[in-house]
Amino acid sequence: DQQVKQNSPSLSVQEGRISILNCDYTNSMFDYFLWYKKYPAEGPTFLISISSIKDKNEDGRFTVFLNKSAKHLSLHIVPSQPGDSAVYFCAAQRGSSNTGKLIFGQGTTLQVKP
Amino acid sequence: DAGVTQSPTHLIKTRGQQVTLRCSPISGHKSVSWYQQVLGQGPQFIFQYYEKEERGRGNFPDRFSARQFPNYSSELNVNALLLGDSALYLCASSLGTGLFTEAFFGQGTRLTVV
Repeated sequence: DQQVKQNSPSLSVQEGRISILNCDYTNSMFDYFLWYKKYPAEGPTFLISISSIKDKNEDGRFTVFLNKSAKHLSLHIVPSQPGDSAVYFCAAQRGSSNTGKLIFGQGTTLQVKP
Repeated sequence: DAGVTQSPTHLIKTRGQQVTLRCSPISGHKSVSWYQQVLGQGPQFIFQYYEKEERGRGNFPDRFSARQFPNYSSELNVNALLLGDSALYLCASSLGTGLFTEAFFGQGTRLTVV
């Protein structure tokens, strides 16, 4: 049962343009959502997060939008840079779990072309 | 400051063998979580330990076990290895448990079962 889904395995964007990565979830009990970036041969690194009580969080070039009614979140990267090329994972947490357990999507590979 | 360190980085084992993976958390972090990432999928939660006690367990068979030591380092053991256990095993450390606690990942141990 895939509770967090990233339906686009890959995305290719021109440098300077906007990258939009999408994520859908099925469990309405999720309280917190996170985006991680992963380069080859490295572990995932935290990028940005959003609480379920908000609908937008911004950090520099990165903005995450949350639409609770649609159970959908998206990560916007503006402007995209070649160094942003990586695998992006969406993850969710439930506050009631008390473990910090992260439930990840399958990932989307972003390629930013110079 | 050293990040999360995992050893070994790569490992090849034969079906039926046993394997032990090691993780040293960031200094001061008391929580360690283990994730399995199969090729093409997102990381899947295996265990979380906090203050040497198991706080959470994912949907993995009893062949998987873990422990945390007084210095907060951790070991993940897998018995009776199957071909399907081939994956990247990620360790994450955090200050505590629960929501809004950022998890920092190590580079992972690539396990190949032949």
